[in-house]
Formats: sequence, C-alpha cells, structure tokens
Amino acid sequence: EVQLVESGGGLVKPGGSLRLSCAASGFTFSSYSMNWVRQAPGKGLEWVSSISSSSSYIYYADSVKGRFTISRDNAKNSLYLQMNSLRAEDTAVYYCARDPGLRATDYWGQGTLVTVSS
Amino acid sequence: DIQMTQSPSSLSASVGDRVTITCRASQGIRNDLGWYQQKPGKAPKRLIYAASSLQSGVPSRFSGSGSGTEFTLTISSLQPEDFATYYCLQHNSYPLTFGPGTKVDIK
Repeated sequence: EVQLVESGGGLVKPGGSLRLSCAASGFTFSSYSMNWVRQAPGKGLEWVSSISSSSSYIYYADSVKGRFTISRDNAKNSLYLQMNSLRAEDTAVYYCARDPGLRATDYWGQGTLVTVSS
Repeated sequence: DIQMTQSPSSLSASVGDRVTITCRASQGIRNDLGWYQQKPGKAPKRLIYAASSLQSGVPSRFSGSGSGTEFTLTISSLQPEDFATYYCLQHNSYPLTFGPGTKVDIK
C-alpha cells in the first residue's frame, strides 16, 4: 500500500524557516518524481514544487522560487521541502504527492500545517 | 502559464441526481488532466486520470471526458458520500495548475 506521511509543520514567525519531510513507503520511491502541493485555509490547491526521481529536474512555482528548496534522499525514501523567508501567505496545509508519470499526481499524504504568524 | 477555470463554482444537488462539472484550459493540454475529490480536512483523492480513465477503486458512477481545452466530470447518480469539492489539475506543463474547485452540497 502506498503511504506518504508528512511532518515538520508548525508555527513560525515571518522571515523564519521550516523544513518539511515526507516519508514514503509501499512503492519504489527512487523510481518516481514527487511533488509538493499546498492549500491555504479555506482556499484551493496550489502546486509548489516538483523533483524528478534522480533529482536531475526541479521545478518551482513563481510564488516560492528563491525561498523554497525541494530535495530528496532515495536511500531514506524521503522527500523534503526547505522553506526560508516565510511569509504570512505561505500559511497552508502542505501535501506531498507522488507523480506516476507525465507530471501527474496520484497518491497524496495527509498533509502538514504550516502557520506563519507573529 | 496555463490557466484553468471550472464551472460552476458550486452546486446544490439531490441524491440520485446527475451532476456535470466543466473544466477549461487556457490552451490545449491534450488529455493531460486529472479530477480530484476532496472532503473537509482530508487530502485530495484522484478520481480520473488522462481525462477519461477511472482510477482503480473509484465507483463507475464517476466518468470523465474531453481533450484539448474542455473537459467534464460527470457523476451519473449522486450518492451521499459524493458531497465534496472537486478540482481539475492540468499536468501538460509546468507550472502545474488546478482549477478553483467546485463545491457540491446537498439540496
């Protein structure tokens, strides 16, 4: 069974940093590209970033480019999102999602809440 | 960037109703589109991939159609567990973009 479990969310002050993790199991993690998607409270879904299986290709939404860094450790079956210079508008539930191919998403984790507030 | 629009933004329907949701892309995306269902406090769940293929385990009352710029999600007979918000996602090119969502609630 495919499982994705996010962690690392919490309350952080504007300008602060946070590192999210996503632990994957139930599939060959190293064979799949992965995504981060977020959802602000009461709002729709927003794609944040994608990383290819070998980390060769990385993409970011303009809203986070230069502040967020996606990475992965295939030996640990883990996906990461380093978030720096956080702003109030980054407040959201952050989901990791598997890419089954062609930049799609199929399985999603349960999400981790990031709140940016003073 | 490819913009996605959805209509309607919300609808009220009764159990047993046929429901159709439309998603339009600002440029052609072939069939690189998925449909997702999200219930409050839960992660999105994929229902349809490649515009018209049913995700394994999803009831057959859900169907998708379309190609290019116009897509539809149809629920043939709405069930109580189908009251949720539905999103489309284009994955033809980065940045990936979601439609704004359609909330389906009880009439």
